[in-house]
Amino acid sequence: AQTVTQSQPEMSVQEAETVTLSCTYDTSESNYYLFWYKQPPSRQMILVIRQEAYKQQNATENRFSVNFQKAAKSFSLKISDSQLGDTAMYFCAFMRVQGAQKLVFGQGTRLTINP
Amino acid sequence: DSGVTQTPKHLITATGQRVTLRCSPRSGDLSVYWYQQSLDQGLQFLIQYYNGEERAKGNILERFSAQQFPDLHSELNLSSLELGDSALYFCASSGRQLPSGANVLTFGAGSRLTVL
Repeated sequence: AQTVTQSQPEMSVQEAETVTLSCTYDTSESNYYLFWYKQPPSRQMILVIRQEAYKQQNATENRFSVNFQKAAKSFSLKISDSQLGDTAMYFCAFMRVQGAQKLVFGQGTRLTINP
Repeated sequence: DSGVTQTPKHLITATGQRVTLRCSPRSGDLSVYWYQQSLDQGLQFLIQYYNGEERAKGNILERFSAQQFPDLHSELNLSSLELGDSALYFCASSGRQLPSGANVLTFGAGSRLTVL
């Protein structure tokens, strides 16, 4: 079974700073997908960024980028020029390619951006 | 608005009772997933339906059941409720696929269940 671990329960940075959230996962699969979801105080789950394991190039979406290290099974999220609206819980998630394509989530990192 | 509609938004009930949570997927999406999020925890996968048939099952309690109807909406039934069932229940739907074949899940706003 796949597991996803987020080792930082909480993080706090000043507005405009850069912050990196860590995620490691365990799987025996060679091809899979990784995602970062954001859950603001509204509790809505919002897809931030995704990475396909067969792609070596790290995904980027505006101020959000990932550092995908397949051999190390590491998938960190970097938020540049952080904004107050980035305050949220961030969940790392794993999805298999084959079989049931359900998301397996980590426990989350609570990120607070301070003014 | 994600396009995935969940009702009710909030529900308060007593131990031992039964409730039904409803989910309407995004237009055109055939898959529906149910997740449970207890207080400040990660999301735990409960069950997935695809076009009316059960596709995958997670750690769903025997007291819980779900189904997907011909019009593709889904219901999650929770019975003999216990205090520990208090949680946020999310529905997600998928239909869009990445070029490589991955499903992209879109989540509803969740149904918050409080068991007193």
